[in-house]
Amino acid sequence: AQSVTQLDSQVPVFEEAPVELRCNYSSSVSVYLFWYVQYPNQGLQLLLKYLSGSTLVESINGFEAEFNKSQTSFHLRKPSVHISDTAEYFCAVRWGNTPLVFGKGTRLSVIA
Amino acid sequence: DSGVTQTPKHLITATGQRVTLRCSPRSGDLSVYWYQQSLDQGLQFLIHYYNGEERAKGNILERFSAQQFPDLHSELNLSSLELGDSALYFCASSAVAGGTDTQYFGPGTRLTVL
Repeated sequence: AQSVTQLDSQVPVFEEAPVELRCNYSSSVSVYLFWYVQYPNQGLQLLLKYLSGSTLVESINGFEAEFNKSQTSFHLRKPSVHISDTAEYFCAVRWGNTPLVFGKGTRLSVIA
Repeated sequence: DSGVTQTPKHLITATGQRVTLRCSPRSGDLSVYWYQQSLDQGLQFLIHYYNGEERAKGNILERFSAQQFPDLHSELNLSSLELGDSALYFCASSAVAGGTDTQYFGPGTRLTVL
């Protein structure tokens, strides 16, 4: 069965430090990759997505992720985090038209 | 605001009861997806409807059912509720049903079964 793995359940980081949230998935065949963010007591919001083309994708608030086909990874990075980035981050994958499969999530805590 | 609405926001009920959760997709979206989010299972896909027809089923229990109406809103019915059904239930909508479609999530319904 297809699977998505987020290795870190919690990541504490100091404000203005860089962060990487890791995501690995089971197969790179016909994949579409997504990162969603969930703020406390809210629904999921799309952060960024990879569908095709350039393997590096960026969000409007400074996050970026790179599709690595050989490593079957789609890690999320930000060079300098803010307090407001504190949230839970979910990696999600579709293989062709299959339903979205989510990782277990990574809770990012930014410390002042 | 994603444009997807869900009601009610919170629901508290007892074991054995039946509840209905409602979802209105974004204007123009034809697909509705239902997900369950719990601490132990994470986010699990339940079911997908496209323009009134069931398209895919995931880890949906037989006690659960859903439908999408002609106006494209959807309802998720949960019956014979058990303590373990306590969770956040999200719906999401997308324009069509393709793999490249972005799914937009509603704020969720928090179900507590006592």
